[in-house]
Amino acid sequence: GAVVSQHPSWVICKSGTSVKIECRSLDFQATTMFWYRQFPKQSLMLMATSNEGSKATYEQGVEKDKFLINHASLTLSTLTVTSAHPEDSSFYICSAAVPGQGNYGYTFGSGTRLTVV
Amino acid sequence: SQKIEQNSEALNIQEGKTATLTCNYTNYSPAYLQWYRQDPGRGPVFLLLIRENEKEKRKERLKVTFDTTLKQSLFHITASQPADSATYLCALVNTGRRALTFGSGTRLQVQP
Repeated sequence: GAVVSQHPSWVICKSGTSVKIECRSLDFQATTMFWYRQFPKQSLMLMATSNEGSKATYEQGVEKDKFLINHASLTLSTLTVTSAHPEDSSFYICSAAVPGQGNYGYTFGSGTRLTVV
Repeated sequence: SQKIEQNSEALNIQEGKTATLTCNYTNYSPAYLQWYRQDPGRGPVFLLLIRENEKEKRKERLKVTFDTTLKQSLFHITASQPADSATYLCALVNTGRRALTFGSGTRLQVQP
């Protein structure tokens, strides 16, 4: 089945530093990837939609200069949290719609737990 | 405003019973609705999709109904097992967009 590999699974960084999270589609080409954030005991909130070869579309309230998204190839999208602060600590999850899948299922990465200290 | 509500934050049932989870939505006209399972510290896993013209869909012990008049979907797990314990999320695609919008989730605990 369609798999999205997300790395790292967890990261601890110091306040003010930047962290990069990678998502790779392993056996399909993901022209579009979605990035979500999930705080404890809350649901997934869409942060941005990234399209291969073009600029990402950010949701209202999400700072594009803080959460840099790059989708340079059909199999790789990255999210960089710049100048991270403790309030950025969260669970970040990427997702891709699997092309040609008649049931329109979306496949998700395993998530990245970011802790900013 | 648009809302997707899963009425129960948590549901505890006994092993072997049927779990029924509810998803209600407001101000959406979804072409289809999806259900996902999420385990702690993991990404969601796709379970079932039901289209607007389908009343019911089944997959093994899972059953989903979709009532576009009531704007509600019900998700059933029959003969529940402790391994079914997880958070279950319903999700819709917003008109004109491709990204999923999720409900708040219901945390199911199946007691042995």
